[in-house]
Amino acid sequence: NAGVTQTPKFRVLKTGQSMTLLCAQDMNHEYMYWYRQDPGMGLRLIHYSVGEGTTAKGEVPDGYNVSRLKKQNFLLGLESAAPSQTSVYFCASSYPRSNSPLHFGNGTRLTVT
Amino acid sequence: DAKTTQPNSMESNEEEPVHLPCNHSTISGTDYIHWYRQLPSQGPEYVIHGLTSNVNNRMASLAIAEDRKSSTLILHRATLRDAAVYYCILRDYNQGAQKLVFGQGTRLTINP
Repeated sequence: NAGVTQTPKFRVLKTGQSMTLLCAQDMNHEYMYWYRQDPGMGLRLIHYSVGEGTTAKGEVPDGYNVSRLKKQNFLLGLESAAPSQTSVYFCASSYPRSNSPLHFGNGTRLTVT
Repeated sequence: DAKTTQPNSMESNEEEPVHLPCNHSTISGTDYIHWYRQLPSQGPEYVIHGLTSNVNNRMASLAIAEDRKSSTLILHRATLRDAAVYYCILRDYNQGAQKLVFGQGTRLTINP
């Protein structure tokens, strides 16, 4: 039982390049989330999904796209990376119940130069 | 949306109890109170949650005010490994995932 796995762990991009971050969970959770965390800051919700084939915007969705083609995977895409997207990205998953905890991955550290 | 307010930082000594406060004055009746902590260079990890009654688990205790407008995470005997940022958030099934907003949390420093 691996929990929530994020790949890659680190990535450096040049401005304008694109990339996809992968999040995989093996707990059969319906909900999945993408957060970003800038230095010294809390987590901000980018996008989330309440089930396979569904996605929705969070607090800071601009510049990102997501897809949830399979229940266990949630992909975060950057079509044209900008230096402002330099951050640590965390994926999480949970059951939908209010008393269900979120399970987080260990993050992807992205630098855009 | 109901939000939480926490002190930016707190400091304590090893082997002493730590009380981390959280204010959530606009909490709704269906909001659960969740606590997470984030160790350096790691993702947040779940600590504890509660609705109305005080809760205990192997990591910590959660004391919830009678009016539910505030709560306190209690670490009974802090160790150096408890140094982390602690987040208090509210979770309501009726509001969906968009309500899972993390503030800046409380950075806890433990002195040896």
